[in-house]
Amino acid sequence: GIQVEQSPPDLILQEGANSTLRCNFSDSVNNLQWFHQNPWGQLINLFYIPSGTKQNGRLSATTVATERYSLLYISSSQTTDSGVYFCAVELYSNYQLIWGAGTKLIIKP
Amino acid sequence: DTEVTQTPKHLVMGMTNKKSLKCEQHMGHRAMYWYKQKAKKPPELMFVYSYEKLSINESVPSRFSPECPNSSLLNLHLHALQPEDSALYLCASSQEGREVSGANVLTFGAGSRLTVL
Repeated sequence: GIQVEQSPPDLILQEGANSTLRCNFSDSVNNLQWFHQNPWGQLINLFYIPSGTKQNGRLSATTVATERYSLLYISSSQTTDSGVYFCAVELYSNYQLIWGAGTKLIIKP
Repeated sequence: DTEVTQTPKHLVMGMTNKKSLKCEQHMGHRAMYWYKQKAKKPPELMFVYSYEKLSINESVPSRFSPECPNSSLLNLHLHALQPEDSALYLCASSQEGREVSGANVLTFGAGSRLTVL
């Protein structure tokens, strides 16, 4: 089956720093979503991005479907950015969502 | 505030208890989902309801029983659970179900954290 790998698994940064999170997938997919889960468990859909680049405030995402990866950029990090970032890809065959293992981000004040 | 509301936020139950988790959305979404999430793991899909009908059951044990009374409500009935069922249970909704590509852009509730003693 398809493999979804996220890197790095853990990231600790100072407030104000920039970061890049990566999601690699082993086969062609219909689309890709990025989620943020805060320390209390709330999952928020950040981007639905099958290809191209999208921006939302300090966050932006780029998916290069032909090369099977997506990047999530966080600029000027704030402590509220802490949590786990998941990417999830949708399969062509049955539209099932396959999740990566996540990147745990800690932003220190 | 999330547009998917889950209750209760926390639940502690014994292995012989019967309890229910509730989920409500008023976004007009036609698909609703139950996910189970263990610590430091991604969410695992349990059930999908599409247009109030159960469309996907990911081989979940019968001690978990879903119910969709109407398009806005989703329940998960719990009976005779095991300690390993302790987890965060997440409800989600999307405009359409998995029958349509790209339609399952998910909106999650805040979750119900379940502890089975």
